[in-house]
Amino acid sequence: AQRVTQPEKLLSVFKGAPVELKCNYSYSGSPELFWYVQYSRQRLQLLLRHISRESIKGFTADLNKGETSFHLKKPFAQEEDSAMYYCALSGIQGAQKLVFGQGTRLTINP
Amino acid sequence: NAGVTQTPKFQVLKTGQSMTLQCAQDMNHEYMSWYRQDPGMGLRLIHYSVGAGITDQGEVPNGYNVSRSTTEDFPLRLLSAAPSQTSVYFCASSPTNPPYEQYFGPGTRLTVT
Repeated sequence: AQRVTQPEKLLSVFKGAPVELKCNYSYSGSPELFWYVQYSRQRLQLLLRHISRESIKGFTADLNKGETSFHLKKPFAQEEDSAMYYCALSGIQGAQKLVFGQGTRLTINP
Repeated sequence: NAGVTQTPKFQVLKTGQSMTLQCAQDMNHEYMSWYRQDPGMGLRLIHYSVGAGITDQGEVPNGYNVSRSTTEDFPLRLLSAAPSQTSVYFCASSPTNPPYEQYFGPGTRLTVT
């Protein structure tokens, strides 16, 4: 079965501090992983795909198959990073069916 | 492009009532899906469609029906509303070619009393 776990419901850090949002997954095959973000009063939108290996808004995420993790990191948090973050998994390469984690609400304090 | 649109934005129903949540997209995406968002549970897939005339169940389909008569529209029907269906509902669409990004609608907040 596919499962995504985000162990932290709430995460609060100070502006300028490093941020790490944890995501662990359970899947027997080769997963495709994503981070989606929902800013206040905005729609859920894609932030990162692991296959792209890109940095968006200073965020990066590396797929660690050994630890089955896909943690989201940013070296210096900004106030505009405050949002709800969801890790999601697609079990079949290129397929659109997503399994979401429970979400982490990130608050950046000034 | 309007992207993915959903109506209504808010709705209050009494137990046992039925209603349809509307979803439309103007991006010619083949894939569309419905999720419900509940505190502490993330988003859970209700139903999805890979093209007009083709639908399938997701993780939590009970109490909901869907149909896909056109590429653009993917309505979600609540047959007999229950308080357990109080939630925020999101519709999403996705192309069938990479990078398969899902585009979400603004959501419908439903309360069943």
